[in-house]
Amino acid sequence: QKEVEQDPGPLSVPEGAIVSLNCTYSNSAFQYFMWYRQYSRKGPELLMYTYSSGNKEDGRFTAQVDKSSKYISLFIRDSQPSDSATYLCAMSSPGDKIIFGKGTRLHILP
Amino acid sequence: DGGITQSPKYLFRKEGQNVTLSCEQNLNHDAMYWYRQDPGQGLRLIYYSQIVNDFQKGDIAEGYSVSREKKESFPLTVTSAQKNPTAFYLCASSISGPPDTQYFGPGTRLTVL
Repeated sequence: QKEVEQDPGPLSVPEGAIVSLNCTYSNSAFQYFMWYRQYSRKGPELLMYTYSSGNKEDGRFTAQVDKSSKYISLFIRDSQPSDSATYLCAMSSPGDKIIFGKGTRLHILP
Repeated sequence: DGGITQSPKYLFRKEGQNVTLSCEQNLNHDAMYWYRQDPGQGLRLIYYSQIVNDFQKGDIAEGYSVSREKKESFPLTVTSAQKNPTAFYLCASSISGPPDTQYFGPGTRLTVL
């Protein structure tokens, strides 16, 4: 079993819909969780960072961590065509390197 | 503006040639990283450095070399020993070493002909 699993998509949703992106992981030592957004042929940019279970909100984005289920989610409300990108989850344990998911391609249809 | 710069954006080389990719940051970050990204493969760590004059191999270091003579700079050399060098290369930095949050540069697309 891979350490981090992420559905590659593509995921296509209409503009204005709520998007749910997810990752599962196997290492119970992971304590730090991140979501990055990557536009085509660009470097990833950090969207959200959390180190605890529960929800963290930033504008239209909400990151959710469920450590008991080893499951993290990123929700995007009122999705826009500009949200079309690849979304990478990432996580790590104290003192260890960051492990990235392979990314989910998201298309927001106007 | 603070950030990470990578140059060039696109690079073409003939097979058998060594090539060096540039990465500079003015964020005053201690740690710097090099990743390779291939379609469907995600990000794979090549090398990282937590302080000047020190660096560690990542998961796929074979065929690559790095140096860290200055805090701001972490160049990556893709040698002729790297069997499949064509890829998108990403440099990142963080305030301190893992697992600190990493910030990425714009990337360099290397194509070996």
